[in-house]
Amino acid sequence: ETAVFQTPNYHVTQVGNEVSFNCKQTLGHDTMYWYKQDSKKLLKIMFSYNNKQLIVNETVPRRFSPQSSDKAHLNLRIKSVEPEDSAVYLCASSLLGSAETLYFGSGTRLTVL
Amino acid sequence: GQQVQQSPTSLVLQEGENAELQCNFSTSLNSMQWFYQRPGGSLVSVFYNPSGTKQSGRLTSTTVIKERRSSLHISSSQITDSGTYLCAMGHNAGAKLTFGGGTRLTVRP
Repeated sequence: ETAVFQTPNYHVTQVGNEVSFNCKQTLGHDTMYWYKQDSKKLLKIMFSYNNKQLIVNETVPRRFSPQSSDKAHLNLRIKSVEPEDSAVYLCASSLLGSAETLYFGSGTRLTVL
Repeated sequence: GQQVQQSPTSLVLQEGENAELQCNFSTSLNSMQWFYQRPGGSLVSVFYNPSGTKQSGRLTSTTVIKERRSSLHISSSQITDSGTYLCAMGHNAGAKLTFGGGTRLTVRP
């Protein structure tokens, strides 16, 4: 049963454009995450939010910014995309924010031309 | 170097064969999880197994914290088991999970 919803599923854009990905979870969880999955299937955490507060911010480029209106929503904005940003971006949530089961969305595949 | 190493990177089985997937960690951990990703699909948590052995149907996970390793055993594999299996470790420092590179499993009829 899907409980973490991501839109869009796919997005193709040109270098330099701005994109925004949405994520919503209906599990009542306190923490949400954005992960980037590259072409080798390697997943790396980008951000996590706990009750609208950023608690993990890996050294991602400044053109990436998470945006949260409430604990059920965590969007990801990329100001000026680069070719290396092409990847699958996965949103996830967890109940308490540390060391327990993550629930993932289906991902947004970004292709930068 | 990569903190989470998975082996093998790919595995091809005949339906009905067993599979053993390994995950090794280079640092201490306080949690680990196994995830399954169908081609083109989302990640699904298979096991949250910080230590010991857990079983669910044909799947068994064993984590040995002292040896910094975890395994996922799939018995009597089925075609629908095909996909990528990822392990991930959690640190004491909050919400970060570090993923391995995954094992791509293909089960043939």
